[in-house]
Amino acid sequence: KQEVTQIPAALSVPEGENLVLNCSFTDSAIYNLQWFRQDPGKGLTSLLLIQSSQREQTSGRLNASLDKSSGRSTLYIAASQPGDSATYLCAVLETSGSRLTFGEGTQLTVNP
Amino acid sequence: NAGVMQNPRHLVRRRGQEARLRCSPMKGHSHVYWYRQLPEEGLKFMVYLQKENIIDESGMPKERFSAEFPKEGPSILRIQQVVRGDSAAYFCASSPTPYTYEQYFGPGTRLTVT
Repeated sequence: KQEVTQIPAALSVPEGENLVLNCSFTDSAIYNLQWFRQDPGKGLTSLLLIQSSQREQTSGRLNASLDKSSGRSTLYIAASQPGDSATYLCAVLETSGSRLTFGEGTQLTVNP
Repeated sequence: NAGVMQNPRHLVRRRGQEARLRCSPMKGHSHVYWYRQLPEEGLKFMVYLQKENIIDESGMPKERFSAEFPKEGPSILRIQQVVRGDSAAYFCASSPTPYTYEQYFGPGTRLTVT
């Protein structure tokens, strides 16, 4: 059974700091990995999708890497801003089915 | 191209009533997924449907829950005889194919059972 773990559970940083969020998964048989952002009481916004054959994806100040063999992904946020405050979720799409398996998320607070 | 639409956004039901949650996928998407987010918990897969077919319902509670995706119209997640433990955010996602492509999520329906 696939398990996805995100560390840390919560993170508070001053504005302008670069930061890394971690995601690990137990079964490397995945199609892809997605990073999402969720604001309180809101839906999910897809940030980055990394296919299993890819090593990283970049969008603006965000960079996500994937090491499938070791079951790890990182989301790097450069020059953090208060507007980045949200919960960040990692999810993997397994080859055995069509479901996304989510981590519990990292709650990020960027202080002005 | 409108995104995934869900309605209602908020639903209040008394214990024992029925709840019907609707999801309209993005245009051109024929694959729909339902996920549930219980308070203080992560998102959990419930069911995966294609038009007129349930492909994977392994995440659905065995009783009171059902889902459909008819040939015409939105996908429906139906909860009969709701209990307080059903209070959660229910998210729908869609994709053009089941693999490779990302799943696009709707804004969710927040169900409160009183």
